[in-house]
Amino acid sequence: SQKIEQNSEALNIQEGKTATLTCNYTNYSPAYLQWYRQDPGRGPVFLLLIRENEKEKRKERLKVTFDTTLKQSLFHITASQPADSATYLCAHHRRARDDKIIFGKGTRLHILP
Amino acid sequence: DAGVTQSPTHLIKTRGQHVTLRCSPISGHKSVSWYQQVLGQGPQFIFQYYEKEERGRGNFPDRFSARQFPNYSSELNVNALLLGDSALYLCASSLEFVGYSYNEQFFGPGTRLTVL
Repeated sequence: SQKIEQNSEALNIQEGKTATLTCNYTNYSPAYLQWYRQDPGRGPVFLLLIRENEKEKRKERLKVTFDTTLKQSLFHITASQPADSATYLCAHHRRARDDKIIFGKGTRLHILP
Repeated sequence: DAGVTQSPTHLIKTRGQHVTLRCSPISGHKSVSWYQQVLGQGPQFIFQYYEKEERGRGNFPDRFSARQFPNYSSELNVNALLLGDSALYLCASSLEFVGYSYNEQFFGPGTRLTVL
């Protein structure tokens, strides 16, 4: 069955540097990948979506890439700030009549001042 | 505009009991999805309802059921609670059915269920 794999180890990045998070998937290529941010005790907040025919998507300091050959999406935060510290979740689903969205476990990001 | 609201925020139950969780989507949104999030894991899909019909179901036992009302609000019911049902239950709403084309999901704050 399809799986989403994110680095379960926490990522510590110095303030001002670029944080890069990885999302790998097995089997089929999803119609689109989504990235969410989740703070402790809160629901996830949507950040970016990238479609299977797109290589890259940007939004302010955020950038997502999608490589269907490597079966991987990378999520970048440039000029990172302590306020970017959170858990980042990768999710995807195929375009199907009643498909479900599959989330990864998330990666905890700590931006060190 | 109010976001997705869920009630209650916290709940403590004992094994074998039944629980009902409630969700009100963003005004105008027709789709509601339910997720279970165990500590340290990503959300796991339970159900999606669109226009009051079940349109997707995750790998959860029949003890889990849900429904969507004419005003698009939704209830998640869990019977015969087990210790393993302790989790954060998240509701997400979207404008249309998530599977047809991309529709951004907006999550509520969740209901923290503890089963003793």
